[in-house]
Amino acid sequence: AQSVTQLDSQVPVFEEAPVELRCNYSSSVSVYLFWYVQYPNQGLQLLLKYLSGSTLVKGINGFEAEFNKSQTSFHLRKPSVHISDTAEYFCAVSQMASLGNTPLVFGKGTRLSVIA
Amino acid sequence: NAGVMQNPRHLVRRRGQEARLRCSPMKGHSHVYWYRQLPEEGLKFMVYLQKENIIDESGMPKERFSAEFPKEGPSILRIQQVVRGDSAAYFCASSPPSFHWEQFFGPGTRLTVL
Repeated sequence: AQSVTQLDSQVPVFEEAPVELRCNYSSSVSVYLFWYVQYPNQGLQLLLKYLSGSTLVKGINGFEAEFNKSQTSFHLRKPSVHISDTAEYFCAVSQMASLGNTPLVFGKGTRLSVIA
Repeated sequence: NAGVMQNPRHLVRRRGQEARLRCSPMKGHSHVYWYRQLPEEGLKFMVYLQKENIIDESGMPKERFSAEFPKEGPSILRIQQVVRGDSAAYFCASSPPSFHWEQFFGPGTRLTVL
């Protein structure tokens, strides 16, 4: 079974400052890794994903994440945040399976608040 | 190509009533997942369906909850005899058969039980 820990439930940051949202996972098998963003009263939108290959993944809206297998982490970063980045961010994992689909396992989320 | 559609967006029920939540996957997607989001919590997997088949229902409560994805029409999540603890946001996601790791989410149905 997989589990995901998002270490920070809330992260306040000033506009144009850098931000890192932390995510650690636990799994006995190889996994795919995802970051989703949820704006108020909306569904989840995929920011980026790691399936294989380069450990540095670039996503939409200027976000990027780095997969670190030894530390079982997949931290999300952005060099300069905007007010519009204020949202809830979820890290998720899915078991890498050759057959069939596996559901996503989500962390509890990190609320990013960008302050003007 | 329209995204994943869910309706209703908001649903209010009294204790003991039934709630029916609908999900229409993206065109060409044959896999549907249902997740529940409780306040201040992440999303929890409930059930995974393909057309006319339940593949994995390990996250579904054993009683009062059921799901279906018929050959024609949307997927339905049904909650019978709702209780206050069922109040949550219910999200549907769909994925294509060839890229099963990529799930596209609908806007969710927010269920409030009075």
